[in-house]
Amino acid sequence: AQSVTQPDIHITVSEGASLELRCNYSYGATPYLFWYVQSPGQGLQLLLKYFSGDTLVQGIKGFEAEFKRSQSSFNLRKPSVHWSDAAEYFCAVARNFGNEKLTFGTGTRLTIIP
Amino acid sequence: AAGVIQSPRHLIKEKRETATLKCYPIPRHDTVYWYQQGPGQDPQFLISFYEKMQSDKGSIPDRFSAQQFSDYHSELNMSSLELGDSALYFCASSSGQYQETQYFGPGTRLLVL
Repeated sequence: AQSVTQPDIHITVSEGASLELRCNYSYGATPYLFWYVQSPGQGLQLLLKYFSGDTLVQGIKGFEAEFKRSQSSFNLRKPSVHWSDAAEYFCAVARNFGNEKLTFGTGTRLTIIP
Repeated sequence: AAGVIQSPRHLIKEKRETATLKCYPIPRHDTVYWYQQGPGQDPQFLISFYEKMQSDKGSIPDRFSAQQFSDYHSELNMSSLELGDSALYFCASSSGQYQETQYFGPGTRLLVL
């Protein structure tokens, strides 16, 4: 079965600084990969996804992620964070079949300091 | 753009009571997924439906049942509620037989007292 590891439970970043959230997956083939963001008490919003093709994917809100097959990673990056980026970030993986469930990592809580 | 609608948004029940959560997918989406997110936890897959048939089943208790109706909305029925069922329940929808992006609703927050 596929699994996802987000090694960082909590990250604190200064506003305007760069950000990288780590995500490693375990799956026998190339999975479908996603990053979702969740503000407190809110639903899950899709930031970006990787299915195939270009390994650097662009998402909403200035986020990007890079798929590295050799490292089984799909790290999320942003060059300059804004206070509104404070939230919980979940990496998720699905098998590359149809109608497959998402398996989520445990999430990384991002705190932004002025 | 239309999003996934879930009702109710908040629900308070007593132990051993029943609850029904509803999910209305994005128009023309034929696949519905249910996830449970406990406090401070990541979302856990419960069950999914494609074209009104159950397509996958996760860690859903036997006390829970779900179905997808002809208009593609789905209902999650929860009986004999326990304190541990208190969680945020998400519904997500996608389109088509092949893996497509799942779009999540705002969730139903269930509190069991």
